[in-house]
Amino acid sequence: EVQLLESGEGLVQPGGSLRLSCAASGFTFSSYAMSWVRQAPGKGLEWVSAISGSGGSTYYADSVKGRFTISRDNSKNTLYLQMNSLRAEDTAVYYCVKDGSIFGVVIGYFDYWGQGTLVTVSS
Amino acid sequence: EIVLTQSPGTLSLSPGERATLSCRASQSVSSSYLAWYQQKPGQAPRLLIYGASSRATGIPDRFSGSGSGTDFTLTISRLEPEDFAVYYCQQYGSSPQFTFGPGTKVDIK
Repeated sequence: EVQLLESGEGLVQPGGSLRLSCAASGFTFSSYAMSWVRQAPGKGLEWVSAISGSGGSTYYADSVKGRFTISRDNSKNTLYLQMNSLRAEDTAVYYCVKDGSIFGVVIGYFDYWGQGTLVTVSS
Repeated sequence: EIVLTQSPGTLSLSPGERATLSCRASQSVSSSYLAWYQQKPGQAPRLLIYGASSRATGIPDRFSGSGSGTDFTLTISRLEPEDFAVYYCQQYGSSPQFTFGPGTKVDIK
């Protein structure tokens, strides 16, 4: 059974930093691209960032480019999102999601989702 | 960036009725790279359809997707009580800028 368990929830001041983690199990982690998708309170879904199975290719939404960094440790089956220069508009539930492609490349639809972790940016 | 528009915003129906949800893209979605997700309150979204018409693992056959180019449809043939939720479409043809529609809420009439 595929499981994705996010951690790193927290309240941070504007301009601050936070790192999210996602522990994956139930599939061959290194064979699949992964992404982060976020949802502001009461709002819709927004794709944030993606990384290929090897970690060699990364992609970012324009809204977070230059501030967020996605990475992965395939030896630990763990996905990360380092968030710097946080803004109030980054407040959201962040979901760790598994890409649907079987080739380790980013295709961009998401077949498994974690339960999400809440990031609140406020002074 | 491809912008997705979903209609209607809210669909009020009774159990057993047919639901037809629309998703329109601001430009053609290449290779019909269009997915649909269901989200219930307090839960993570769940993949229903990918590639415009392929059902994800474990999804009942009352859910079907169709369309190409800029116009896509999700149909629920007969609504079950557990189907009342918010539905999002998402395009992944414009890699790597993946975008979601604003959602359609299906609620009980």
